[in-house]
Amino acid sequence: DAGVTQSPTHLIKTRGQQVTLRCSPISGHKSVSWYQQVLGQGPQFIFQYYEKEERGRGNFPDRFSARQFPNYSSELNVNALLLGDSALYLCASSPDLTGFLGYTFGSGTRLTVV
Amino acid sequence: QQPVQSPQAVILREGEDAVINCSSSKALYSVHWYRQKHGEAPVFLMILLKGGEQKGHEKISASFNEKKQQSSLYLTASQLSYSGTYFCGTDTNDYKLSFGAGTTVTVRA
Repeated sequence: DAGVTQSPTHLIKTRGQQVTLRCSPISGHKSVSWYQQVLGQGPQFIFQYYEKEERGRGNFPDRFSARQFPNYSSELNVNALLLGDSALYLCASSPDLTGFLGYTFGSGTRLTVV
Repeated sequence: QQPVQSPQAVILREGEDAVINCSSSKALYSVHWYRQKHGEAPVFLMILLKGGEQKGHEKISASFNEKKQQSSLYLTASQLSYSGTYFCGTDTNDYKLSFGAGTTVTVRA
């Protein structure tokens, strides 16, 4: 079975631009979460979506938004990019909302803002 | 609020043991443990639910003391493959994981 797939793997953007990151969860997983991981730190929670509804939002500005599609894939959008948005963006899927079976992470999208 | 992990780093020789601690200031519903190797995605090791249970995964086990809001990960008879950064993720019953800063484990032959 395919794992969690994210695209693109790497991205370079200029300050002020907008970016869209994509995630396809494991087949059958209905929950998708997004995390930002800065070098040397643990992942920071951004959003969780379950059954196409936002079920959790972390402490990130409104420039960050996301959505989940009927096939459970998800997009993360970041507007008005800042240098500080440079990070590894991880997507994680789980079968349900609880996460009691653990989260499966994708390999991430490395975003560099210049 | 992020949990606090200790130590920040540990170096082991093959066969040695280590303990990684994770502490939260909030009441915890569950604790997750993940291992991330350089340039790779975090990999789920185990979850502990409130109730003080202990779980094992090969020679890696963990405990959860919900009264103290603490969890510990035990690496027993370490192997080279155990090298990586270990993260605890805590859930305060809102299904949003807060991850610690990580503990880097280096196992040498």
